[in-house]
Amino acid sequence: AQTVTQSQPEMSVQEAETVTLSCTYDTSESNYYLFWYKQPPSRQMILVIRQEAYKQQNATENRFSVNFQKAAKSFSLKISDSQLGDTAMYFCAFLTSGSRLTFGEGTQLTVNP
Amino acid sequence: NAGVTQTPKFQVLKTGQSMTLQCAQDMNHEYMSWYRQDPGMGLRLIHYSVGAGITDQGEVPNGYNVSRSTTEDFPLRLLSAAPSQTSVYFCASSYAGRAGANVLTFGAGSRLTVL
Repeated sequence: AQTVTQSQPEMSVQEAETVTLSCTYDTSESNYYLFWYKQPPSRQMILVIRQEAYKQQNATENRFSVNFQKAAKSFSLKISDSQLGDTAMYFCAFLTSGSRLTFGEGTQLTVNP
Repeated sequence: NAGVTQTPKFQVLKTGQSMTLQCAQDMNHEYMSWYRQDPGMGLRLIHYSVGAGITDQGEVPNGYNVSRSTTEDFPLRLLSAAPSQTSVYFCASSYAGRAGANVLTFGAGSRLTVL
């Protein structure tokens, strides 16, 4: 079975600084997809970024980028120039075939002014 | 606005009662799913469907029942509610096809409390 582990239950960062959230996963599959979702206090699940395992280039979306290390099964999220609106729970997720998404436990990020 | 609509947003039940969480999407998505979110455990898949008339179990299906009679609707039924089913429930949908090519669209969530 696939597992996703986020080892940092809580993190904090000062506004305008950079923070990195960690995620590791375990799978025997060779072709898969990885995601970072954001859940603000509104509870809505919002896609932040997506990475396809067969692509070696790390995905980037504005201030959000990933460090995808396939051999190490690591998928960390870097947030640059942190903003107060980035305060949220962040979930790493792994997609198997058939659209079954497996989530990590989540990391609560607080951006301090 | 197009999207995934869940009702109700909040519900309190007594142990042993039954209820249905409704989920509807207007994007013609083939794939629909239900997750539950508990503190420290992320979101866990309860049941999912890849099309009308087709359903399958996820990671935590016990105590829940689903059906998919139309493309638009995917209700989740609690047959006899238990306190362990206190949680926030999310419905999500996407187009089917190449896995990962289609990102899930989530509903706003339903908070259920079982006393």
